[in-house]
Amino acid sequence: AQTVTQSQPEMSVQEAETVTLSCTYDTSESDYYLFWYKQPPSRQMILVIRQEAYKQQNATENRFSVNFQKAAKSFSLKISDSQLGDAAMYFCAYNTGETSGSRLTFGEGTQLTVNP
Amino acid sequence: GAGVSQSPSNKVTEKGKDVELRCDPISGHTALYWYRQSLGQGLEFLIYFQGNSAPDKSGLPSDRFSAERTGGSVSTLTIQRTQQEDSAVYLCASSLVAGSNQPQHFGDGTRLSIL
Repeated sequence: AQTVTQSQPEMSVQEAETVTLSCTYDTSESDYYLFWYKQPPSRQMILVIRQEAYKQQNATENRFSVNFQKAAKSFSLKISDSQLGDAAMYFCAYNTGETSGSRLTFGEGTQLTVNP
Repeated sequence: GAGVSQSPSNKVTEKGKDVELRCDPISGHTALYWYRQSLGQGLEFLIYFQGNSAPDKSGLPSDRFSAERTGGSVSTLTIQRTQQEDSAVYLCASSLVAGSNQPQHFGDGTRLSIL
């Protein structure tokens, strides 16, 4: 079974600075999908960024980018120019590459605080 | 509606009672998922539907948990004879179709508290 590990329960960053959240995973599959979700106090999970394992290029969405290291099974999220609205719980998630796969496996989360 | 809608937003009930949680997916989304988030934890998969059928219900923790979906739209998660360990936030998500590359869109969840 696949597992996802986030080793940083809490992180903090100064507004306008850059922060990196770590995620590692364990799988025997060669094709899969990785996601970062953000959960503000409203509880709604919001998709931040998605990476397909067969693509070597790191995904980027505006101020959010990932560092995907397939051999090391690492998938970190970099937030540049941090804003107060970025404060939330961030979850890393895995989904199998099988066409029938649909369940997301989540890490334990990292609580990000942004200081003004 | 524009997003995934869940009701009620909060539910407090006594141990031993049955509860029903409702999820209304994004219009046109054929796949629907249920997850559970215990306090301070990540999300745990429960079950997903493609249309009205549930290809994967392996995450349901016990036979007290069941879910159904009718008309390919609204889904209900039922917990019978609730226990204190059932206290959690229950999140529903939907996607256009079931598939690992499909982004799942989440609702705000139902916070269930068992006294």
